Amino acid sequence: EAGVAQSPRYKIIEKRQSVAFWCNPISGHATLYWYQQILGQGPKLLIQFQNNGVVDDSQLPKDRFSAERLKGVDSTLKIQPAKLEDSAVYLCASSSYRTSTETQYFGPGTRLLVL
Amino acid sequence: AQRVTQPEKLLSVFKGAPVELKCNYSYSGSPELFWYVQYSRQRLQLLLRHISRESIKGFTADLNKGETSFHLKKPFAQEEDSAMYYCALSGGYGGSQGNLIFGKGTKLSVKP
Repeated sequence: EAGVAQSPRYKIIEKRQSVAFWCNPISGHATLYWYQQILGQGPKLLIQFQNNGVVDDSQLPKDRFSAERLKGVDSTLKIQPAKLEDSAVYLCASSSYRTSTETQYFGPGTRLLVL
Repeated sequence: AQRVTQPEKLLSVFKGAPVELKCNYSYSGSPELFWYVQYSRQRLQLLLRHISRESIKGFTADLNKGETSFHLKKPFAQEEDSAMYYCALSGGYGGSQGNLIFGKGTKLSVKP
């Protein structure tokens, strides 16, 4: 089966600019996750979707980050305006169900550099 | 607070030597524990989970609730085991169900 797709793979922007990332999960996967991975750290969950509804966005900086999953398939994550500390790899993952034991499949990530 | 600690940033061993990557966790309920691995230029992928009690690529991990640990072990390391290893936990219910909390990772380097 095709894996999780993400684009772009790399993005360089200046602070205060906006940026958007796209994710296409594995076909049929109901749950979609966005993680932020800062250099030297493990991934940190930003938001979790179940179909097109938000399950958990407690760690999403809502003053600048937004995400949506229209039609319960693809998802976009947006940052507006970007700050230097947003430089990170943004990982999208998907799983069949929202259970604690379900395997999450990760995309290749989008590497963002904010100058 | 939920937390995963991997005390070693880098672990370097020779081929054929035993390997143990340490992981300790803090969680008030009954978590599910996982090891994820990222090989060079590849995606983050699941290596094994405690509930399956399986051995994958010669690796095993035992959940020790008394010591709140989930160390990853392999008796004889191979060069192809060189990678970044992340320990992660997931809450068993409620809003945290399915969410993964990752440690900072340990880079394993297996020398020939």
